[in-house]
Amino acid sequence: NAGVTQTPKFQVLKTGQSMTLQCAQDMNHEYMSWYRQDPGMGLRLIHYSVGAGITDQGEVPNGYNVSRSTTEDFPLRLLSAAPSQTSVYFCASSYSPTLGNQPQHFGDGTRLSIL
Amino acid sequence: GQQVMQIPQYQHVQEGEDFTTYCNSSTTLSNIQWYKQRPGGHPVFLIQLVKSGEVKKQKRLTFQFGEAKKNSSLHITATQTTDVGTYFCAGGSGGSNYKLTFGKGTLLTVNP
Repeated sequence: NAGVTQTPKFQVLKTGQSMTLQCAQDMNHEYMSWYRQDPGMGLRLIHYSVGAGITDQGEVPNGYNVSRSTTEDFPLRLLSAAPSQTSVYFCASSYSPTLGNQPQHFGDGTRLSIL
Repeated sequence: GQQVMQIPQYQHVQEGEDFTTYCNSSTTLSNIQWYKQRPGGHPVFLIQLVKSGEVKKQKRLTFQFGEAKKNSSLHITATQTTDVGTYFCAGGSGGSNYKLTFGKGTLLTVNP
């Protein structure tokens, strides 16, 4: 099992550009989520999904879109990149939300810089 | 919304000293999870507590969940250089609220 795979690992964008951060998991997890991590701010939830076709907003959703067409994949789209979106982005998955909060399995992260 | 506060923000210790980080929630939690993140790495799940007053141990690590389920602590006995990293707590409200709210973390550094 590869676990949670995020691509790319590093990316530099210019202001106004769009891009998609990829996240895939091979554990058949129902719950997937995206966090951003900024110095001194901990992990903040951007969007999450409790299953294919279902997504919802987290704490800091503005400027980001998600979709969940399959159980395995949960891409995060930046519509028009802004310097404030410079951050480390983590994707996480867990088994089944209907069982209550489950341990989160994190990917290695994408380090994104926006100039 | 739910807030989870974690203190201290930083802690530097000499190897062999003990370390404790505290987590406090503005609301009653259904459960609390603890994670460790090594420098440059990703958060790794350590443990989950669900019962009021629960205490769990993992070798030199002791985790507690408060009686009111609004606070938690992680205590490391006799720190080692391998304990270096940021420790996060994450609170869950349970029910149909599937979100976890993370504290800002405590960065532990250990002087050998």
